[in-house]
Amino acid sequence: GENVEQHPSTLSVQEGDSAVIKCTYSDSASNYFPWYKQELGKRPQLIIDIRSNVGEKKDQRIAVTLNKTAKHFSLHITETQPEDSAVYFCAASEETGANNLFFGTGTRLTVIP
Amino acid sequence: GAVVSQHPSRVICKSGTSVKIECRSLDFQATTMFWYRQFPKQSLMLMATSNEGSKATYEQGVEKDKFLINHASLTLSTLTVTSAHPEDSSFYICSVDALSEGTRTQYFGPGTRLTVL
Repeated sequence: GENVEQHPSTLSVQEGDSAVIKCTYSDSASNYFPWYKQELGKRPQLIIDIRSNVGEKKDQRIAVTLNKTAKHFSLHITETQPEDSAVYFCAASEETGANNLFFGTGTRLTVIP
Repeated sequence: GAVVSQHPSRVICKSGTSVKIECRSLDFQATTMFWYRQFPKQSLMLMATSNEGSKATYEQGVEKDKFLINHASLTLSTLTVTSAHPEDSSFYICSVDALSEGTRTQYFGPGTRLTVL
């Protein structure tokens, strides 16, 4: 089955700096890669996703890149703000039928004001 | 995206009792729902895939007789933790596989925090 690894497990940045979280996956059949943000005690919220037919996607301060050859994808947050502090999870799935997501281990991002 | 609710949000029960958690898709007819468990400071672990009108598909290591899943309608799936024990204490989250703006993704419920005394 799919194995998703995520690094780093914790990340602290100064407000305004950029944050980068990296994930690797093992199953070459995976073709859908969402990122979720989870605040303490709350549900994961989808913040951005990418499919294997593109290499990069951007939504305001958030961008995701995908390298299918190397089987890794990354989340980039620019101009970080304190409200970006949360746990971020990457995930991967083979988008056939229902989306069975395999999650990374999570990254706790702390943005220091 | 799909709006997903869960009930209850928090439950405390005695060891040996059973607890039922409901997951509702409020604005989307969900053929497929997923149940996850999340221990403190850990990732989401898929427990089972709930399929409307048929048996759930359980992940390896998840006891189907202990975690009963029923998906009787396109808007409701239930997870019953039978004979709960302290080690079952966890955050249980459901999700709905939904089509939004032409693409499929998962939308999560708010979660249920189960504490077994």
